[in-house]
Amino acid sequence: AQSVTQLDSQVPVFEEAPVELRCNYSSSVSVYLFWYVQYPNQGLQLLLKYLSGSTLVESINGFEAEFNKSQTSFHLRKPSVHISDTAEYFCAVSGPGGGSYIPTFGRGTSLIVHP
Amino acid sequence: DGGITQSPKYLFRKEGQNVTLSCEQNLNHDAMYWYRQDPGQGLRLIYYSQIVNDFQKGDIAEGYSVSREKKESFPLTVTSAQKNPTAFYLCASSPDRGNQPQHFGDGTRLSIL
Repeated sequence: AQSVTQLDSQVPVFEEAPVELRCNYSSSVSVYLFWYVQYPNQGLQLLLKYLSGSTLVESINGFEAEFNKSQTSFHLRKPSVHISDTAEYFCAVSGPGGGSYIPTFGRGTSLIVHP
Repeated sequence: DGGITQSPKYLFRKEGQNVTLSCEQNLNHDAMYWYRQDPGQGLRLIYYSQIVNDFQKGDIAEGYSVSREKKESFPLTVTSAQKNPTAFYLCASSPDRGNQPQHFGDGTRLSIL
């Protein structure tokens, strides 16, 4: 079985400050990892994904995440946030558990960017 | 543009009434999913379907039913047996059972009158 823990339910930060949203997972097999973003009253949008290869993955809007197998983590970082980054962020893990790749989601982290 | 369409955006249900939420995709994806989202609880899987005419229960299937008669469509019925149906419902799809991310619709918010 796989599980995801997002350690912070809310992260307040000032505009232009750096931010890190933490995600830890547990799985007994190899995994695929995803970060999604959700704006109010909308669905989730894929932010970035780790499937294999380089452990550092980047999105087009300045976010990056690093897959750390030894620490079973996939933390999301941005060096300088904007007001428009205010949203809910979900970490998800999937893998060949039980014959299916149904992803498991964390409970989400609300990023609140203050001016 | 390809995507997932959920309708209606807002839905109200009376006590004892069944309601059906629509989900249509034109991405030619094999797999489709229904999630329920409650504040602070993330996404919980209700049902999923990996192929037409087949579907599986997720973690919280009680009080819900689905059908998958067409590849493009995966409607969810919230029955009167679901005692706490007020939530935000999200439909998603993905190309197959592999390592591809999911695409989501914009959700339906269901409330009890």
